[in-house]
Amino acid sequence: NAGVTQTPKFQVLKTGQSMTLQCAQDMNHNSMYWYRQDPGMGLRLIYYSASEGTTDKGEVPNGYNVSRLNKREFSLRLESAAPSQTSVYFCASSEWWDDEAFFGQGTRLTVV
Amino acid sequence: DAKTTQPPSMDCAEGRAANLPCNHSTISGNEYVYWYRQIHSQGPQYIIHGLKNNETNEMASLIITEDRKSSTLILPHATLRDTAVYYCIVPYGGATNKLIFGTGTLLAVQP
Repeated sequence: NAGVTQTPKFQVLKTGQSMTLQCAQDMNHNSMYWYRQDPGMGLRLIYYSASEGTTDKGEVPNGYNVSRLNKREFSLRLESAAPSQTSVYFCASSEWWDDEAFFGQGTRLTVV
Repeated sequence: DAKTTQPPSMDCAEGRAANLPCNHSTISGNEYVYWYRQIHSQGPQYIIHGLKNNETNEMASLIITEDRKSSTLILPHATLRDTAVYYCIVPYGGATNKLIFGTGTLLAVQP
């Protein structure tokens, strides 16, 4: 039981490049989330998926797209990376909306 | 949307109880209060949550005032490993769990 797994753990991109951050959970959870955390700041919600087949914007969705591929997987795509997207990205999942959320260990992304 | 207010930082002596306050004066009747913590740069960790009754688990106790406008997270015997940023969160959005994190309280447990 691995919980929430994020890949990659580290990534350096050049401005304008695209990439997809992968997230998978093995807890059969319905809800999944993507957050970003800038240095010295709290987490900010980018997108979330309340259940398979649905996605909604969070606080800071601009510059990102998401795909809920199936119940297990929720990916985050940066189409044209910008230095302002340098951050640590966390994926999380929960069984339903009122349950505790489990977080992955994060992807540290640097855009140069 | 219920928002929360927490002190930016607190100190606590090792072995003593750590009491972390949170104000959520705009909370609605069916909104839960959640507490998470983040140790160093790891992913946040769930601690406890409650609606209106006091709650206790193996990690902490949660005391919610009768009017539900504030709560206190209690770590009964703080250790150095409890040094972390503690987030008090009131999700909003009805049937979806929008966990919106604020800046939290940095708890420094001193030896």
